[in-house]
Amino acid sequence: GNSVTQMEGPVTLSEEAFLTINCTYTATGYPSLFWYVQYPGEGLQLLLKATKADDKGSNKGFEATYRKETTSFHLEKGSVQVSDSAVYFCALTNFGNEKLTFGTGTRLTIIP
Amino acid sequence: GAGVSQTPSNKVTEKGKYVELRCDPISGHTALYWYRQSLGQGPEFLIYFQGTGAADDSGLPNDRFFAVRPEGSVSTLKIQRTERGDSAVYLCASSFRGGGSGANVLTFGAGSRLTVL
Repeated sequence: GNSVTQMEGPVTLSEEAFLTINCTYTATGYPSLFWYVQYPGEGLQLLLKATKADDKGSNKGFEATYRKETTSFHLEKGSVQVSDSAVYFCALTNFGNEKLTFGTGTRLTIIP
Repeated sequence: GAGVSQTPSNKVTEKGKYVELRCDPISGHTALYWYRQSLGQGPEFLIYFQGTGAADDSGLPNDRFFAVRPEGSVSTLKIQRTERGDSAVYLCASSFRGGGSGANVLTFGAGSRLTVL
């Protein structure tokens, strides 16, 4: 079946630091890959997505590249801000169904 | 509406009671999803509606859980004989269409936090 493994948190960084949150997946076929973010007190929001191998999703300075050879979709940002503090979820769907499979989430805290 | 609305935002109940959680999706979204998020975990799929019908209910944990969407818009998740293990945040999401491509973007509500004492 499908599964997503992501970097355990919590992660604490200083403002302007470089961020990487690792995500690897197991799936049959050709999944679509997503990063969702949950800010304090808010619902899950799509941050970025990639639907085929070598695609790069990007939004708000965050990037992730769909690597089929390593089954990975690591999230990166060059310079984090306090406002990036949130819980980040890696997720996938498979062609032919609508079920998102989520990782366990990584809590990120940015210190000024 | 502008977003996915879920009510109540918080529900505390006693073991054995019946609970209903409501989801009002974005107007025009034909696909609706329910997920459950336990503390420290990622959301887990429960059920997916395309229009009025449940296209996939494979995530419902047992027959105490049931969901309806009679007019293809608002959905209600119903939990009978609640147990302490049902305590979680129940998330609803909607998308413009299902279609099975796997690439549809879901818009999530803020969730209903259920606590079973």
